[in-house]
Amino acid sequence: AQSVSQHNHHVILSEAASLELGCNYSYGGTVNLFWYVQYPGQHLQLLLKYFSGDPLVKGIKGFEAEFIKSKFSFNLRKPSVQWSDTAEYFCAVNEGFQKLVFGTGTRLLVSP
Amino acid sequence: DTEVTQTPKHLVMGMTNKKSLKCEQHMGHRAMYWYKQKAKKPPELMFVYSYEKLSINESVPSRFSPECPNSSLLNLHLHALQPEDSALYLCASSQLGQVLTFGAGSRLTVL
Repeated sequence: AQSVSQHNHHVILSEAASLELGCNYSYGGTVNLFWYVQYPGQHLQLLLKYFSGDPLVKGIKGFEAEFIKSKFSFNLRKPSVQWSDTAEYFCAVNEGFQKLVFGTGTRLLVSP
Repeated sequence: DTEVTQTPKHLVMGMTNKKSLKCEQHMGHRAMYWYKQKAKKPPELMFVYSYEKLSINESVPSRFSPECPNSSLLNLHLHALQPEDSALYLCASSQLGQVLTFGAGSRLTVL
């Protein structure tokens, strides 16, 4: 079964700092990869996705992620975080056609 | 309409009660999902409906009973729950194999 690891459980940054959140998945082959964000009190929203093509994917709000197949990784980056980026971030990978497996999540706190 | 609407937002029930959670989408999505999210944990898949038929049941206890009356609606019937079933229940929908759109969730407390 597919599993997803997010190495950073809690990250604290100051505004304007750069962000990189790690994500590794266990199963090779064809995968669809996602990053979702959950702002405090809000529902899960899609930040970006990778299905195929260019391994560098750009999402909303200045986020991007890079798919490195050889490393089974899909790390999330943002060059300069804002206070409004405070949220929980989940990496997710499909298992089969219909199941989405989530990582344990990373809580990001950005201090103004 | 690009939303998944879940009702109620909050539900408190006793262990002998019967209640239902409801989910609705009008995006024409043919797959609908129930996820359970405990505090500080990731969402865990419970059920998937594809074209209104149950296609995945992740070994969920029978006290949770899903129902998909039509392509826009998904229900989760609850009966004889335990306190450890207290969680945020998330509904999602998608076209098959595509991105999931999540609702805001129903926060369930079982006393």
